[in-house]
Amino acid sequence: DIQMTQSPSSLSASVGNRVTITCRASQSINIYLNWYQQKPGKAPKLLIYAASSLQSGVPSRFSGGGSGTAFTLTISSLQPEDFATYYCQQSYSTLYTFGGGTKVEIK
Amino acid sequence: QITLKESGPTLVKPTQTLTLTCTFSGFSLSTSGVGVGWIRQPPGKALEWLALIYWNDDKRYSPSLKSRLTITKDTSKNQVVLTMTNMDPVDTATYYCAHRGYNWNFDYWGQGTLVTVSS
Repeated sequence: DIQMTQSPSSLSASVGNRVTITCRASQSINIYLNWYQQKPGKAPKLLIYAASSLQSGVPSRFSGGGSGTAFTLTISSLQPEDFATYYCQQSYSTLYTFGGGTKVEIK
Repeated sequence: QITLKESGPTLVKPTQTLTLTCTFSGFSLSTSGVGVGWIRQPPGKALEWLALIYWNDDKRYSPSLKSRLTITKDTSKNQVVLTMTNMDPVDTATYYCAHRGYNWNFDYWGQGTLVTVSS
């Protein structure tokens, strides 16, 4: 199995801050990395696919980067609606796996 | 417009078999490249991928749960069914089905259904 490790597991930030979340794969996954946002009681929402491609309708303050084993999700200027939990997910292997999540809280 | 909705029991007893149905619209599971997956989330915990079925009936399962899972599709009914045997309280979770798009991601999700395992 390919293991996905996110860091940090949680963070506190203020509106307007720049936030970066890291996701590491246990082996190279090329750019087969997706990011999701999940708010309490809701289904996850796809934000970024193929490491850096923005899903249609997602604000441009979200960006993704990386390849191989190290990836990042960056929110350039945190907005009130961005407080949520973020998950990475690899699709390099046909046995898809998710990271443990990063909860972004209000400071 | 793609939509998916999960249905099934909200409460099952330990050792019972869980059967969940995902009913979808807006796409066909006979179209090349398309898949439907199941993902679960225990209360307060992370997402866990369970299984995926493709348009060509290829199936993939989480290695840790493979012996307990079966995924099938009924293309004519636009449904995907997941069965999980020998349910345990640790299987209490919200179960989601999702559309696997052409970019190898889950781009559309159902609302989820909470399944509680308790005697």
